[in-house]
Amino acid sequence: SAVISQKPSRDICQRGTSLTIQCQVDSQVTMMFWYRQQPGQSLTLIATANQGSEATYESGFVIDKFPISRPNLTFSTLTVSNMSPEDSSIYLCSVADIPGRITYEQYFGPGTRLTVT
Amino acid sequence: AQTVTQSQPEMSVQEAETVTLSCTYDTSENNYYLFWYKQPPSRQMILVIRQEAYKQQNATENRFSVNFQKAAKSFSLKISDSQLGDTAMYFCAFMKPDRGSTLGRLYFGRGTQLTVWP
Repeated sequence: SAVISQKPSRDICQRGTSLTIQCQVDSQVTMMFWYRQQPGQSLTLIATANQGSEATYESGFVIDKFPISRPNLTFSTLTVSNMSPEDSSIYLCSVADIPGRITYEQYFGPGTRLTVT
Repeated sequence: AQTVTQSQPEMSVQEAETVTLSCTYDTSENNYYLFWYKQPPSRQMILVIRQEAYKQQNATENRFSVNFQKAAKSFSLKISDSQLGDTAMYFCAFMKPDRGSTLGRLYFGRGTQLTVWP
């Protein structure tokens, strides 16, 4: 299966600042997604990162707060802007349509644990 | 919107025993996929098993098997010969493919924390 990495693995940030999280895959994939997992909670989809076009955001998430880039088929970034303590979560990227795997299976990166003080 | 319900927040089982985690979902779709993911304390989400809704045969992956009851919209996970390394949060997930595709977003349940004790 593909190797999915995320940077940073964790960070502690001050409120009002921004953090950019990177997701790198070692093969070209069609679909990349960004999820948020708040403490003790399930995963919530933030957006689908589309290669070469604007991301598709889920209800409750907006581009100004969570800008996403996807410059190619192996890389994406998620920025958490103007952070508040409520943004403290684990942020995970996932990918689908990995070469050699079942098309619709999604695989996850190791996550980025963000704490906002 | 699709909903996924896991009614057991926590479960425990003794090593080598069998445990079943329950999951129900609500959808009006006929074509969809179901998954169980495992999230150990290291937080890496690992795909355990998948089931295509159009298949009547229950999926099996080594010690992991599912009981898929489409009419009842139930998708339980059975773990046989439980091992200490099975201790993790288990998430049930539903995926409805986008129109004209086999790809789509996942909807997750709230998870079941499974503890395997010696």
